[in-house]
Amino acid sequence: EVQLVESGGGLVKPGGSLRLSCATSGFTLSSYGMNWVRQAPGKGPEWVSYISSSSSYIYYADSVKGRFTISRDNAKNSLYLQMNSLRAEDTAVYYCARDRWTGVAVPDAHEEWGQGTLVTVSS
Amino acid sequence: EIVLTQSPGSLSLSPGERATLSCRTSQSVGSSFLAWYQQRPGQPPRLLIYSASSRATGIPDRFSGSGSGTDYTLTISRLEPEDFAVYYCQQYGTSPFTFGPGTKVDIK
Repeated sequence: EVQLVESGGGLVKPGGSLRLSCATSGFTLSSYGMNWVRQAPGKGPEWVSYISSSSSYIYYADSVKGRFTISRDNAKNSLYLQMNSLRAEDTAVYYCARDRWTGVAVPDAHEEWGQGTLVTVSS
Repeated sequence: EIVLTQSPGSLSLSPGERATLSCRTSQSVGSSFLAWYQQRPGQPPRLLIYSASSRATGIPDRFSGSGSGTDYTLTISRLEPEDFAVYYCQQYGTSPFTFGPGTKVDIK
């Protein structure tokens, strides 16, 4: 059974930092592109960042570029999101999402999702 | 950035009826890199359709997708009680991989 379990969320002050983790199981992480997607309360999903299977390709939403860093450790079956200089508008549930397997390092639709971890940025 | 527009914003229908949801992109999406997701309250999005018209694993055949270029459609042929939810389209052909604002399908 595929499982994606996010952790690391919480309450942080504006300007602060958090590191989110996504522990994966039930599949070979090194074969898949991975993403972070967030959803602010009452809003639709917003794609945040993508990392290819071997970390060769990394993309960010403009809203987080220069502040967030995505990374992965395939040996530890884990995905990460380092979030710095946090703002109130970063408040959201953050989901880890696995792409469909296509055999090539190209982004694809998000086939598997975790349950999310809530990040609240407030003074 | 490719902007996605979904219409209608909401749709009130009865079980058994047909639902037709539209997604328009501000630029052509290469190779139809367009997906549809369903989201129920308190749950993460669930992939329904990828590559504009391919059903994801385990998705019932009452869900179908069509379209190309800048105009895409999700059709639910006969609504079941569990289909009342919010539906989002997303393009994943060009970063940033933007989502549409969603269409809420609720019970009439």
